[in-house]
Amino acid sequence: NAGVTQTPKFQVLKTGQSMTLQCAQDMNHEYMSWYRQDPGMGLRLIHYSVGAGITDQGEVPNGYNVSRSTTEDFPLRLLSAAPSQTSVYFCASTGTGIPGTDTQYFGPGTRLTVL
Amino acid sequence: QKEVEQDPGPLSVPEGAIVSLNCTYSNSAFQYFMWYRQYSRKGPELLMYTYSSGNKEDGRFTAQVDKSSKYISLFIRDSQPSDSATYLCAMRAKAAGNKLTFGGGTRVLVKP
Repeated sequence: NAGVTQTPKFQVLKTGQSMTLQCAQDMNHEYMSWYRQDPGMGLRLIHYSVGAGITDQGEVPNGYNVSRSTTEDFPLRLLSAAPSQTSVYFCASTGTGIPGTDTQYFGPGTRLTVL
Repeated sequence: QKEVEQDPGPLSVPEGAIVSLNCTYSNSAFQYFMWYRQYSRKGPELLMYTYSSGNKEDGRFTAQVDKSSKYISLFIRDSQPSDSATYLCAMRAKAAGNKLTFGGGTRVLVKP
């Protein structure tokens, strides 16, 4: 049981390039989400998904796309990278059920630098 | 103004001291309150989870929620150097599904 995995761990992009951050979970969780973490800003929700085929926008969705074709995978696409997207990106998955048991499990993060 | 405010620290304490952390919030719809611990260059991990007002204790950790004041706290007793980390509060409304709103995090350093 690997939990939530993310690849790559580090990435450097040039302005205008596109890339996909990968996220996978093996806990059969329905809810998955992407956050970005910037100094002093905490974690801000980019996009989330309540199940395969269903996605929705979070607090800061501009410049990012997501899709959810399987329960396990939830990739995040940067369409045209900008320096403002330099950040640490975390993927999380949550098991639904009785409140108090719906823990969000976070991946190890991807550190992205856009030059 | 942010929905959830948290002092960024750093908070430096000697080993064995009590660490006191807190968050204030503005959204009265928040009903579920969490504390996450994040070690450097790692993902956050859930530490404490409380529903509505009251106290919850788990080993050296105590979480308190005062909904009337829109204020939550985390206390760490007998602090250890291994408690050095960033602590993030998070909360959500019942109608928000699993969408969490996070504070900015407080960096804690426990000195041996």
